[in-house]
Amino acid sequence: SAVISQKPSRDICQRGTSLTIQCQVDSQVTMMFWYRQQPGQSLTLIATANQGSEATYESGFVIDKFPISRPNLTFSTLTVSNMSPEDSSIYLCSVVIGDWGHQPQHFGDGTRLSIL
Amino acid sequence: AQSVTQLDSQVPVFEEAPVELRCNYSSSVSVYLFWYVQYPNQGLQLLLKYLSGSTLVKGINGFEAEFNKSQTSFHLRKPSVHISDTAEYFCAVRLRDNTDKLIFGTGTRLQVFP
Repeated sequence: SAVISQKPSRDICQRGTSLTIQCQVDSQVTMMFWYRQQPGQSLTLIATANQGSEATYESGFVIDKFPISRPNLTFSTLTVSNMSPEDSSIYLCSVVIGDWGHQPQHFGDGTRLSIL
Repeated sequence: AQSVTQLDSQVPVFEEAPVELRCNYSSSVSVYLFWYVQYPNQGLQLLLKYLSGSTLVKGINGFEAEFNKSQTSFHLRKPSVHISDTAEYFCAVRLRDNTDKLIFGTGTRLQVFP
């Protein structure tokens, strides 16, 4: 399976600031996703990162708060904007390689974000 | 609405004992089924998947799961656990409709004691 690298692995930020998280994959992927995992909870899909076009956001998530870029088949960024303590979470990049209909999602190690 | 229920938030077990982590789902469309494991300070790792065929699926680290369509369940089992199996386990379903969404359960914390 692919190697999925997320940067940074963790960060502590001041409220009101923004942080951009990078996801780099060592092979071309069919689909890329961004998830949020709040403390002690399960994963919630933020959006599907579409190559060369605007991401597709899930209900409750908006582009102004979580802008996403995906300039090519192996790289994507998620920005958490104007952060507040409620944004303290793990943010995970996920990819599908090959036939989306028959392949599972694989996850990076996540970015652990704390907002003071 | 589609949902995934993991009935046990925590499962304590002694080393070398068998374990079963339960997962039930509700969906109006057919699904693919997955189990993921999350070790401390790591991302999610795929344990096993059910797409079609045999309802008994074997995965990594000695885990297996059985798909029961009539009971809409996909319970995870291991006959003998190790200390290193201590982790959070997530059941997930992917809807086989035009959304292809992956829906996660709330997770089960498996704690293995010596």
